Amino acid sequence: GQNIDQPTEMTATEGAIVQINCTYQTSGFNGLFWYQQHAGEAPTFLSYNVLDGLEEKGRFSSFLSRSKGYSYLLLKELQMKDSASYLCAVKRGNAGNMLTFGGGTRLMVKP
Amino acid sequence: EAEVAQSPRYKITEKSQAVAFWCDPISGHATLYWYRQILGQGPELLVQFQDESVVDDSQLPKDRFSAERLKGVDSTLKIQPAELGDSAMYLCASSVRDNQPQHFGDGTRLSIL
Repeated sequence: GQNIDQPTEMTATEGAIVQINCTYQTSGFNGLFWYQQHAGEAPTFLSYNVLDGLEEKGRFSSFLSRSKGYSYLLLKELQMKDSASYLCAVKRGNAGNMLTFGGGTRLMVKP
Repeated sequence: EAEVAQSPRYKITEKSQAVAFWCDPISGHATLYWYRQILGQGPELLVQFQDESVVDDSQLPKDRFSAERLKGVDSTLKIQPAELGDSAMYLCASSVRDNQPQHFGDGTRLSIL
């Protein structure tokens, strides 16, 4: 089996930094994705980590530690439009590279 | 707007009826996925196609759900008969290959009365 955990909700202030954590237990780990999903819209790809370390892409960064089964998404200089759900998804190489999603973290950015 | 096309955008029907969803992936994407997303939860994979072949349908309730991708391009997902618990967002996604990022359509929001 597999288990992916992320906080259900988080609140942060515009202009601040927020870190959204994701822990996982899975077999055949072959990478971790982060997606953003605004209410009623499609998930959009943010980042992909397969090796340990930090991947930076503009205001968003994602970190992975495979030995700890842990990842985080870091959002800097928060904007109101960053209010959305953030989905952590683990890819399993021993299962056709299928993705298993966590429940998502709903981030609310306040002025 | 997402490049993966899905229709209809919304569907309201009564239980015991049949419903069908259509998905047209990004051109050239060999891998196609159908997900179900219940409000407040993450997407759950129902079926994965590689070209016209099913790669994984272990989470598809096969007594009532069926999916096909006959020519390896667009795909349909059908539910017959629909049940109240099927109310959810049905998302289609595609990727160039199965190890590449998936691109999602806007989904079909299904409500069963």
